[in-house]
Amino acid sequence: DIQMTQSPSSLSASVGDRVTITCRASQSISSYLNWYQQKPGKAPNLLVYAASSLQSGVPSRFSGSGSGTDFTLTISSLQPEDFATYYCQQSYSTPYSFGQGTKLEIK
Amino acid sequence: QVQLQESGPGLVMPSETLSLTCTVSGGSISSYYWSWIRQPPGKGLEWIGYIYYSGSTNYNPSLKSRVTISLDTSKNQFSLNLTSVTAADTAVYYCARVTYYYDIYYYYYMDVWGKGTTVTVSS
Repeated sequence: DIQMTQSPSSLSASVGDRVTITCRASQSISSYLNWYQQKPGKAPNLLVYAASSLQSGVPSRFSGSGSGTDFTLTISSLQPEDFATYYCQQSYSTPYSFGQGTKLEIK
Repeated sequence: QVQLQESGPGLVMPSETLSLTCTVSGGSISSYYWSWIRQPPGKGLEWIGYIYYSGSTNYNPSLKSRVTISLDTSKNQFSLNLTSVTAADTAVYYCARVTYYYDIYYYYYMDVWGKGTTVTVSS
């Protein structure tokens, strides 16, 4: 099975900051990497698929990059509604697996 | 606009079977893969498995001996059965649509999710 590891596990930042979250796979997964945002009590919401493709309706301040084993999700200028938990997920092989999550909090 | 809605008992007795249904509205179930994911309280996401509209399935090996996912195209629904449950199966259960982006290869991702349903295993 492929293990996904995110860093950091939590992060404090201010509105307007540029933030980067990292996801590392235990083996190469090419670009089979998706990012989701989850707010408390809500279902996950797809942000980025295939490592760098922005889902329709997602603000352009979100971007994804990477290939192989190392990936990043960047938020160029944090907005109040971006404070949430973020998960990466690999779809290279089953069982699909998620990172442990990165909780983004207001500083 | 496709929407998913989970339904089923919120409380299940230990050793019994957890049964949930996901109803698909605004679109046909007769395409795509359809998946179940769960999230224990305060923890991360765990993929349970998926079913293709043809009926083929793929399960997480960690749950494979206890899981069955089935499809009812006439009702536009798919279902999850998890047998011999314990307190460790207490979680929010989500259903989701798995779609793909084709660019030489097929890149799969879960683009539509239900709101989730909380299942507690307790006597």
